[in-house]
Amino acid sequence: DAMVIQNPRYQVTQFGKPVTLSCSQTLNHNVMYWYQQKSSQAPKLLFHYYDKDFNNEADTPDNFQSRRPNTSFCFLDIRSPGLGDAAMYLCATSRAGTGGYYGYTFGSGTRLTVV
Amino acid sequence: GQQVMQIPQYQHVQEGEDFTTYCNSSTTLSNIQWYKQRPGGHPVFLIQLVKSGEVKKQKRLTFQFGEAKKNSSLHITATQTTDVGTYFCAGDRPIQGAQKLVFGQGTRLTINP
Repeated sequence: DAMVIQNPRYQVTQFGKPVTLSCSQTLNHNVMYWYQQKSSQAPKLLFHYYDKDFNNEADTPDNFQSRRPNTSFCFLDIRSPGLGDAAMYLCATSRAGTGGYYGYTFGSGTRLTVV
Repeated sequence: GQQVMQIPQYQHVQEGEDFTTYCNSSTTLSNIQWYKQRPGGHPVFLIQLVKSGEVKKQKRLTFQFGEAKKNSSLHITATQTTDVGTYFCAGDRPIQGAQKLVFGQGTRLTINP
């Protein structure tokens, strides 16, 4: 089945130690998003890629970076995780550019714990 | 910036009772989408509304988009325990390029069997 896969499902990292979360998709969607969701809160958009074009949200900390080496894969790098970065990180994909609006397909998320 | 407000934050009902959650945007939306997130899960797309005044139904769920395209509602008739979860609305402004959905705070539905 076509889907969005996030690895790992759970990640524990040390305070200040760089960590990378990964996302892959078999939907061939041209847009990929990274959202941060803290407990009992709405998902908050960090950035998205429209094809190869990177779009950062104004309030996304510099500590967060992203890479999209090809259509299928997207990575979230947290350079120096702080305790406040502990959250669920959700990857989502969507189609764009055909004049319509489409629902997002979310991965299962990676729950990040910072110790 | 764009804000999407959703109420109530929590709703607890007896099984069989109806449930409604409301969504309001500070700006006109190109479309509004609704997602359901089960406890411990990820958001799952339910439906999209695009036209002013649009009403769509999915079995016991009824979705409405306001005439001004700034508000929306989700109504569940005769809730069942399988309806438990958090329901998010998400709005998108009419801008060029890819969609950038802004999520409401969500309404967490719990049900007493």
